[in-house]
Amino acid sequence: EAGVTQFPSHSVIEKGQTVTLRCDPISGHDNLYWYRRVMGKEIKFLLHFVKESKQDESGMPNNRFLAERTGGTYSTLKVQPAELEDSGVYFCASSQVFGSGRVTQYFGPGTRLTVL
Amino acid sequence: AQKITQTQPGMFVQEKEAVTLDCTYDTSDPSYGLFWYKQPSSGEMIFLIYQGSYDQQNATEGRYSLNFQKARKSANLVISASQLGDSAMYFCAMRELVRTGANSKLTFGKGITLSVRP
Repeated sequence: EAGVTQFPSHSVIEKGQTVTLRCDPISGHDNLYWYRRVMGKEIKFLLHFVKESKQDESGMPNNRFLAERTGGTYSTLKVQPAELEDSGVYFCASSQVFGSGRVTQYFGPGTRLTVL
Repeated sequence: AQKITQTQPGMFVQEKEAVTLDCTYDTSDPSYGLFWYKQPSSGEMIFLIYQGSYDQQNATEGRYSLNFQKARKSANLVISASQLGDSAMYFCAMRELVRTGANSKLTFGKGITLSVRP
């Protein structure tokens, strides 16, 4: 079974440009999460989808970030326009929907974004 | 607000020895779950072990065990018989189950770097 995949693995852009990150969750996983790790800091939650609906977007830093999950499959995270502080590693995770608290989130390898 | 604290500097351990990675947490939620993830240099985050706040026994998964001390709000990861492949960054994370639900976000600590010496 394929794991969570993310594309691209690295992206280097200039301030003011637009970047779109893609995440393909594990097949059958209705939960999809976006997280971000800025250098030396904690991994921070950004957004949670259940199928195509945004369940929790409390971690989105500002309106320059737009996440979509059309059809409830893959998701995209667009940053427009990118700023220097957006640099970091963006992780996507997915999980099945269960009632138990031990629902495990499976992470992708991350996209390393550098804004110059 | 929920918080995870990992304050150890880079940790070193000799191959085949055991090592403990510290994690303390803070939450007012009566029910929560604690997770440990491993991030090798290749970048992927690998789930290692889970402990529920109401679990009667400490979790174990192969060479990984969790020293869960609820009263002290600590959930330390113990790796026995360290291997060179254990060299990685390790993250402790928590999910609050009453306040946010079983499928909700994880809150992470800053991580600890473990280096295994041959």
